[in-house]
Amino acid sequence: SQQGEEDPQALSIQEGENATMNCSYKTSINNLQWYRQNSGRGLVHLILIRSNEREKHSGRLRVTLDTSKKSSSLLITASRAADTASYFCATDGRHNNNDMRFGAGTRLTVKP
Amino acid sequence: EAGVAQSPRYKIIEKRQSVAFWCNPISGHATLYWYQQILGQGPKLLIQFQNNGVVDDSQLPKDRFSAERLKGVDSTLKIQPAKLEDSAVYLCASSFPRYEQYFGPGTRLTVT
Repeated sequence: SQQGEEDPQALSIQEGENATMNCSYKTSINNLQWYRQNSGRGLVHLILIRSNEREKHSGRLRVTLDTSKKSSSLLITASRAADTASYFCATDGRHNNNDMRFGAGTRLTVKP
Repeated sequence: EAGVAQSPRYKIIEKRQSVAFWCNPISGHATLYWYQQILGQGPKLLIQFQNNGVVDDSQLPKDRFSAERLKGVDSTLKIQPAKLEDSAVYLCASSFPRYEQYFGPGTRLTVT
């Protein structure tokens, strides 16, 4: 079964705008990770946030984690056409030995 | 640093035939994962190894799928016999325990 669920399923924005994607999960976690996947390629790790962290930044990426609501958000600021990809969240279940569960992803399209 | 290697990149077989995929993880990564990604969906964990032991294979269809990781390094995933619904991209990933995963390029399997 898949743990993380991304929302929205698809998002289309203009270059320069910000993109926000959300992820909800069901059970306690050790950490939550966001990955990007360009069409036809493998997944690339973007950022990992641990359960005791609330916010993390990496370049134009900002991730928040609210363990009380079992949710996370990924914000991409000043988007570029090259950001067009599918974005997945994955959770590392606290009660399982590092098994990762991915959601169905958000398909982001950034129009030039 | 060399990434996760997978072969072959593409494979087309007829239903009821068998197929095998190979993965060479990043050197030093004790954890190795095999995922199945059907078009339009997120990766689904099939099996997770810690060194050469299986940590989680709860979603592996064991009547037709098998995997091994001899000597705790390379791994092979086999399907025998293949069904039409096995058409997907098979992703291999590796990591240090509880850290971000590094994905290979995947093997695109088409079953006709």
